[in-house]
Amino acid sequence: GAVVSQHPSRVICKSGTSVKIECRSLDFQATTMFWYRQFPKQSLMLMATSNEGSKATYEQGVEKDKFLINHASLTLSTLTVTSAHPEDSSFYICSATGVTGTDTQYFGPGTRLTVL
Amino acid sequence: DAKTTQPNSMESNEEEPVHLPCNHSTISGTDYIHWYRQLPSQGPEYVIHGLTSNVNNRMASLAIAEDRKSSTLILHRATLRDAAVYYCILRAPNRDDKIIFGKGTRLHILP
Repeated sequence: GAVVSQHPSRVICKSGTSVKIECRSLDFQATTMFWYRQFPKQSLMLMATSNEGSKATYEQGVEKDKFLINHASLTLSTLTVTSAHPEDSSFYICSATGVTGTDTQYFGPGTRLTVL
Repeated sequence: DAKTTQPNSMESNEEEPVHLPCNHSTISGTDYIHWYRQLPSQGPEYVIHGLTSNVNNRMASLAIAEDRKSSTLILHRATLRDAAVYYCILRAPNRDDKIIFGKGTRLHILP
């Protein structure tokens, strides 16, 4: 149990386009989801925290208008990278915490975004 | 989040035990010690966590110092598939608490 999926696993887009990444909790309800980005050979950097039905909380330095997060249901959160540029190329990872009372986070497999 | 300190990298031979240290001298009384690992090109996965007592599960063991200022993740018999970055993280007992990742320890397994 406790599986988190992401779609797509890999995406290549042209500069200036927008890309949507989905994060789903497959077998549990996720009250809170987190979005991270990771550059090569670096650690994960938390971008934002999203709670179902409310606005996401962004970490300092993360542009909320560029990285749009929607958490419309207890099993789905989406991250949209708007007007993507090559510097947005990165590995984007989501995680989810369920309603079972455990504070273990379950991570998705990640989405590799390449902006040409 | 209280800070943790880990070696940047470690090496171990295949089929031998591995002891991954973590220092957390500023840990508070209610912080849990969590370990996650990240295999290449994958999202992190939960390994183990504990509060005061040593813990064992199918993946690893966690040895916690009596003063809780350090801990050691033990892989009893390393395989090539254990090559990953291992993160030691302190977390307050709140399921909505975010995880802030440090640099972790990159574990290399030698065949």
